[in-house]
Amino acid sequence: RKEVEQDPGPFNVPEGATVAFNCTYSNSASQSFFWYRQDCRKEPKLLMSVYSSGNEDGRFTAQLNRASQYISLLIRDSKLSDSATYLCVVNWGRDDKIIFGKGTRLHILP
Amino acid sequence: EPEVTQTPSHQVTQMGQEVILRCVPISNHLYFYWYRQILGQKVEFLVSFYNNEISEKSEIFDDQFSVERPDGSNFTLKIRSTKLEDSAMYFCASRARQGIINEKLFFGSGTQLSVL
Repeated sequence: RKEVEQDPGPFNVPEGATVAFNCTYSNSASQSFFWYRQDCRKEPKLLMSVYSSGNEDGRFTAQLNRASQYISLLIRDSKLSDSATYLCVVNWGRDDKIIFGKGTRLHILP
Repeated sequence: EPEVTQTPSHQVTQMGQEVILRCVPISNHLYFYWYRQILGQKVEFLVSFYNNEISEKSEIFDDQFSVERPDGSNFTLKIRSTKLEDSAMYFCASRARQGIINEKLFFGSGTQLSVL
């Protein structure tokens, strides 16, 4: 099983729609979880951390399911500017090793 | 917002040459990282560094790679003898603390390394 797995997409979604991504991780010792977004040929930028109880930031909601070892990201009322690659990021056992999934590409269609 | 700074933004080198990629992490951060991303592929962990020593490294980070924090501000990645497959975007990152769940990483804008 790969360390961090994501559906690569692309997800082609009309503007205003709701879209959700999942990410699974294989190390049950992982403690820190994040969603980053990456625009083409740019550095990853933090979208949001993922907390055990789930958390929301505006149109974005993140959930963690430790039993099934996955995290999710929900985007409501999607905007053209949401088009990007969304990266699932997990610490690997010890906190010093933070690894990335391959990312899910999202295209918001006008 | 404070930034991680990387130089140069682009580096072209001949196969077999040594390159040094430079990073200035955020000033009060204590943990430093290098990642690379080959075009079209995932962001790959190379190495983490704390208290002047490597704390974790991946299988990619072999004897050809080394990191250094020569002074209080710079954090460098050296590739001793570059190969064609080292061509990638190299990202430096830093974080303030360890042991705090969800302490986020801040990334620099990357150095695009092209090995000819």
